[in-house]
Amino acid sequence: SQTIHQWPATLVQPVGSPLSLECTVEGTSNPNLYWYRQAAGRGLQLLFYSVGIGQISSEVPQNLSASRPQDRQFILSSKKLLLSDSGFYLCAWTGLMNTEAFFGQGTRLTVV
Amino acid sequence: EDKVVQSPLSLVVHEGDTVTLNCSYEVTNFRSLLWYKQEKKAPTFLFMLTSSGIEKKSGRLSSILDKKELFSILNITATQTGDSAIYLCAVPSYNQGGKLIFGQGTELSVKP
Repeated sequence: SQTIHQWPATLVQPVGSPLSLECTVEGTSNPNLYWYRQAAGRGLQLLFYSVGIGQISSEVPQNLSASRPQDRQFILSSKKLLLSDSGFYLCAWTGLMNTEAFFGQGTRLTVV
Repeated sequence: EDKVVQSPLSLVVHEGDTVTLNCSYEVTNFRSLLWYKQEKKAPTFLFMLTSSGIEKKSGRLSSILDKKELFSILNITATQTGDSAIYLCAVPSYNQGGKLIFGQGTELSVKP
C-alpha cells in the first residue's frame, strides 16, 4: 500500500536560518507531488507541484524553493527564513490522473 | 485562471443542526471534485464526485455535484461536536501539466 512520510512534525527556527523539509512516498511510482501551506483555520495554498524528477512548478513568488532529486522524494527549502514563513506545511501526492490526494502529517513551522 | 471558491468561510452551529457547505469551481478539463475533512493535521478524504446529480453518502454526510452550474454542496445532518473541522474542497486542474487546487476551506464549529 502507498504511504507518505513527512518530517519533522514541528520545527522552531530563528529568522534568517535555512530550512529543509522532506517528504517521501512509498508504494507508488511517478506520483505528482505537492507542497501546500496552510494558515490557521484556512484552506491550502499550493506552493509547488512536481510531475516528475527535476520538474518543479512554482505557484507563488516567495522565499521558498522545492526540489525533486528522486522520483518519490520532494524537498521544501529556504536559504533564509522570514517570520512570514511560519505556518503549517503539508506534502501530498496524487496518481497520474490527479484524483484523490494523500497527505503527509504536516510540519508546523514557527519562525521566531 | 483555474480556481475553487468555498463558502461560507466559517460557520458556528449547535448540535443537531443541519449544515450545507458550498464549493464552486472554474477549472480546465474538469474531471472530478474532492471533499476533505481536516481536524488537526492531515486532511482526510470524504468524497470524490465525477457525475452530476448523483449523491454520495456516508452516514450523516452527503454530497452532490452540479456540472452545469459548476458547484458542489456538502451536507451534514444532525451535527455533532465531532464534526467540528475545516472542510476542504479540491479540484484537479489539467491546465499546464496538472495540479490539485483547493478552496479556502470552511471552518465549522459545532457547539454542544
